[in-house]
Amino acid sequence: SQTIHQWPATLVQPVGSPLSLECTVEGTSNPNLYWYRQAAGRGLQLLFYSVGIGQISSEVPQNLSASRPQDRQFILSSKKLLLSDSGFYLCAWSVRLGAKNEQYFGPGTRLTVT
Amino acid sequence: AQKVTQAQTEISVVEKEDVTLDCVYETRDTTYYLFWYKQPPSGELVFLIRRNSFDEQNEISGRYSWNFQKSTSSFNFTITASQVVDSAVYFCALSGPSGGSYIPTFGRGTSLIVHP
Repeated sequence: SQTIHQWPATLVQPVGSPLSLECTVEGTSNPNLYWYRQAAGRGLQLLFYSVGIGQISSEVPQNLSASRPQDRQFILSSKKLLLSDSGFYLCAWSVRLGAKNEQYFGPGTRLTVT
Repeated sequence: AQKVTQAQTEISVVEKEDVTLDCVYETRDTTYYLFWYKQPPSGELVFLIRRNSFDEQNEISGRYSWNFQKSTSSFNFTITASQVVDSAVYFCALSGPSGGSYIPTFGRGTSLIVHP
């Protein structure tokens, strides 16, 4: 069966510090991978998605970047965090090919920038 | 463009009541997919159901049921005899070709609170 891992689970970082959040998927190959942010108020904001190694699409220009160094690894980074980067970060995967594929989400990372 | 509207921001019920969560969508695609996800207090979104645009048959899974009506562009979710464990935020989502690379569009979610 497939599983998705995210770490760390919680993180408190000062403004201006770097960030690295990691997501890995097990039990599947060539997944689509996604990073979402959920700020207070519940809405899900798609940040990045990837359809393959080294292929990253950015949905919202901002202080963050993403990389996919391996097929089942997706990393979210920032060189200098802003207060507005606080939120709940969710990684997700889906099987490729078409619109019918549901997404499976990781447990999330709760980031507080102080 | 695609759009999903969950007009109910928060619903509060007492255990054993039935509750319906509304979802209205907009799309110009003829083939598309609709989804419901549950986000319990732990935070992880859990996939509940997928429905394609050509299948308007309602679905029931235990206490959960889904009513898809193409004529009104709605895909509503009903929980029968609600329980405290049903307390969560529920998201409706839509995926189709016009969404760009089949990236799903999520509604803003409905927070369901079930009181004992």
